[in-house]
Amino acid sequence: QITLKESGPTLVKPTQTLTLTCTFSGFSLSTSGVGVGWIRQPPGKALEWLALIYWNDDKRYSPSLKSRLTITKDTSKNQVVLTMTNMDPVDTATYYCALSMVYWGQGTLVTVSS
Amino acid sequence: DIVMTQTPLSLSVTPGQPASISCKSSQSLLHSDGKTYLYWYLQKPGQSPQLLIYEVSSRFSGVPDRFSGSGSGTDFTLKISRVEAEDVGVYYCMQGIHLPRTFGPGTKVDIK
Repeated sequence: QITLKESGPTLVKPTQTLTLTCTFSGFSLSTSGVGVGWIRQPPGKALEWLALIYWNDDKRYSPSLKSRLTITKDTSKNQVVLTMTNMDPVDTATYYCALSMVYWGQGTLVTVSS
Repeated sequence: DIVMTQTPLSLSVTPGQPASISCKSSQSLLHSDGKTYLYWYLQKPGQSPQLLIYEVSSRFSGVPDRFSGSGSGTDFTLKISRVEAEDVGVYYCMQGIHLPRTFGPGTKVDIK
């Protein structure tokens, strides 16, 4: 059974750096072809793709957010970590991680406010 | 980036009646490998998106056969043959041929 779960702070202040962790089970990020990505959804709005890391450590980012995002993986811990710098209230959203855009975590709501 | 559009943006359906959602992409989603990378998701209230259809017309595991997808190139359609109460939520199409992945604005479906 494939599961993913996001974790991290629920509240961050403007200008701070957000660090989110996706902990997964049921698959290995060392398997050829596998990729884990991050997607976010502001309250009441549509989905926005953020970043993706592949089994071979190839990393891809949304062009509009590339300067603020870093995605890494820890295969031994079955985790993928996303950091986003210089947080702003407009970054308030539910952040999801997903395996190959097929299996999604439950999401974690991050609010940016002073 | 590939722009995805959906129509209508909202839909109110009587149970047992059919429903149809259109999705258009700004570029062809046909890959050189012969596959077309168009996906449909349903986000039920308070839940994360769940995959319904992949590669235009293939139903994901466990998806009822009342859901069907069709289309090619840049024009796609999701059809629900007989809407049930559990089908309420927001439906999104997504292109999977280019990065960044991009989603449509969503179509909100509710029951009359």
